[in-house]
Amino acid sequence: DAGVTQSPTHLIKTRGQHVTLRCSPISGHKSVSWYQQVLGQGPQFIFQYYEKEERGRGNFPDRFSARQFPNYSSELNVNALLLGDSALYLCASSAGGFSNYGYTFGSGTRLTVV
Amino acid sequence: AQKITQTQPGMFVQEKEAVTLDCTYDTSDQSYGLFWYKQPSSGEMIFLIYQGSYDEQNATEGRYSLNFQKARKSANLVISASQLGDSAMYFCAMREGTGRRALTFGSGTRLQVQP
Repeated sequence: DAGVTQSPTHLIKTRGQHVTLRCSPISGHKSVSWYQQVLGQGPQFIFQYYEKEERGRGNFPDRFSARQFPNYSSELNVNALLLGDSALYLCASSAGGFSNYGYTFGSGTRLTVV
Repeated sequence: AQKITQTQPGMFVQEKEAVTLDCTYDTSDQSYGLFWYKQPSSGEMIFLIYQGSYDEQNATEGRYSLNFQKARKSANLVISASQLGDSAMYFCAMREGTGRRALTFGSGTRLQVQP
């Protein structure tokens, strides 16, 4: 079975541009979460979606948005990029519900803003 | 206040020896879960072990065990018989409550296993 798939793996953008990151969860997983990991820090929660509805949002500006599609894949959009948005963006999928396990992460998208 | 504190930025251990990575947490919820993840240089977060707040036994998964001391709010990871492939960043994380699903991560510990 395929794991969590994220694309692209690397990306370089210019300040002020817009970026879209994509995530395909493990087959059968209905929940997708997004995390931002700045170099040298632990990941920080951005969004969680379950059954195509937003179930949680972290402390990020409105420039960050996301959505989940009927096939449970997800997109993270960031507008008006800042240098500080340079980070590894991680997607995690889970079966949802009250599972105690099952946060499976992808390898991430490394975004560099210049 | 930090919800997850990892006080060891870096640790060294000799191959085949055991090592303990520290994690303390702060929550007012009665129901919560604690996770440890390994992050090699490739970037992927690899799940290692989970401990629920109501679990009476310390969690174990192969060479990984979790030393859960609820009263002290600590959840230390013990890796036995270290291997060179264990060299990586290690993150402790917490999920609070039963409805909120976000993970809160600590700042991580970089473990280097020496031959």
